[in-house]
Order: sequence, then structure tokens, then C-alpha cells
Amino acid sequence: AQKITQTQPGMFVQEKEAVTLDCTYDTSDPSYGLFWYKQPSSGEMIFLIYQGSYDQQNATEGRYSLNFQKARKSANLVISASQLGDSAMYFCAMREGPRRDDKIIFGKGTRLHILP
Amino acid sequence: DAGVTQSPTHLIKTRGQQVTLRCSPKSGHDTVSWYQQALGQGPQFIFQYYEEEERQRGNFPDRFSGHQFPNYSSELNVNALLLGDSALYLCASSANTGVETQYFGPGTRLLVL
Repeated sequence: AQKITQTQPGMFVQEKEAVTLDCTYDTSDPSYGLFWYKQPSSGEMIFLIYQGSYDQQNATEGRYSLNFQKARKSANLVISASQLGDSAMYFCAMREGPRRDDKIIFGKGTRLHILP
Repeated sequence: DAGVTQSPTHLIKTRGQQVTLRCSPKSGHDTVSWYQQALGQGPQFIFQYYEEEERQRGNFPDRFSGHQFPNYSSELNVNALLLGDSALYLCASSANTGVETQYFGPGTRLLVL
């Protein structure tokens, strides 16, 4: 069974609109971490945001926020006021376990296209 | 402050050959993880090194091996290359303490012919 599911292979969004990228995860471990990464066409993975399973507040980093719904095992990424430079692949990932050296599992990604 | 660096950027090999990829972690980071990203897929975890030892390994055969040096840099070695080893190989570094983030390098694109 997939541990990380990103159901949107591709999305087209008008510039300046808000974007929500979906991510659901599957784990029985009470301690885990959730990450979002951006991968432009150059290939480099850029860290965007992190949410720990015990964090009470949703994580935010500038225009990025993580809508963490623990009971639904959902960790959607919200990008406010999208920009042309946001066009890229976006990956949701999970560290399953409490230790920093626990493996990180990635989803298959969502390709986001921002339209001018 | 230099980020994660990887070399070479591109590499072409033939089946059966061996390859070594290199990674220097971000300043202040002591842990290095390696990932394989096939075209159109998310990265797959290969292994992680800390204190010069492999402490976690993904579902990859023994043809994939690694090493970490005292300066925290790392190498990924792949023996007996197969066509299916063609991929982007990403190195990520992190610190064992403090804020939990993992920073990736630009990757090495390996093509096996």
C-alpha cells in the first residue's frame, strides 16, 4: 500500500490565485514528520515546509502553509498568491517514526503549472 | 554558506560498469542521505550515513554501497550497472540536532547505455 498519496498528477492555476496541493498519508506510528518539497525543471529538490505529528499548529513559511488534518491523515500544501515561478513538481514526503534517521518516503508528485 | 554540492552533474556509463557519485553536505550538517529518482517518479531512499556508518537502508540491492568520510562528505557506489539504474541521484544533508530539515543537492543524472 502506498504510504504517501498525491492524487493530482497535474494542476493548472491562474497567476495570483491560491493553490491547494493534496497529500494523504498512511502510518500507524504515532510519531512522524511531514514535508513538502518543490522540484523545478533543473532537478534540485527545494525544502518548503515541515509539520511534526505532535505539532498543534499548522506550519507556515511565507506563502506556504500546511493544512494538517491528523484524523483524516491529510497534509495539504497551500500556496497563497501563486507566482509564475511556482511552476514545478511538488512532492509530499513522510518520515515514519520518531527518529531523525527514520526513512523518508516520497509521493509521486504533482506538477503545478501557473498560467499568466 | 555553501549548500549541498554533488559531482559530477551528468554521467554516461555502459551496462556492467561501476560508478561513484560524490556529495558534500551543507555546512554544519553531519548526516547524508542518498535517493534515486527515476523519470516521472518521486525519490526513493537508498541509504543514510551518520558518523561514517550506514544507519538506514532502503530496498536497494548490495550493488549500491556508500561511504562517509570524517569531513561528512559521502560517496555512492553502484556496481554492475543495469539499464534500470538510469536516474537522477540526489544527495540530501541534515543535522542530527536542531530544526528538522533536509537539504538536497542538485543531483547527478546517470544514464546507463
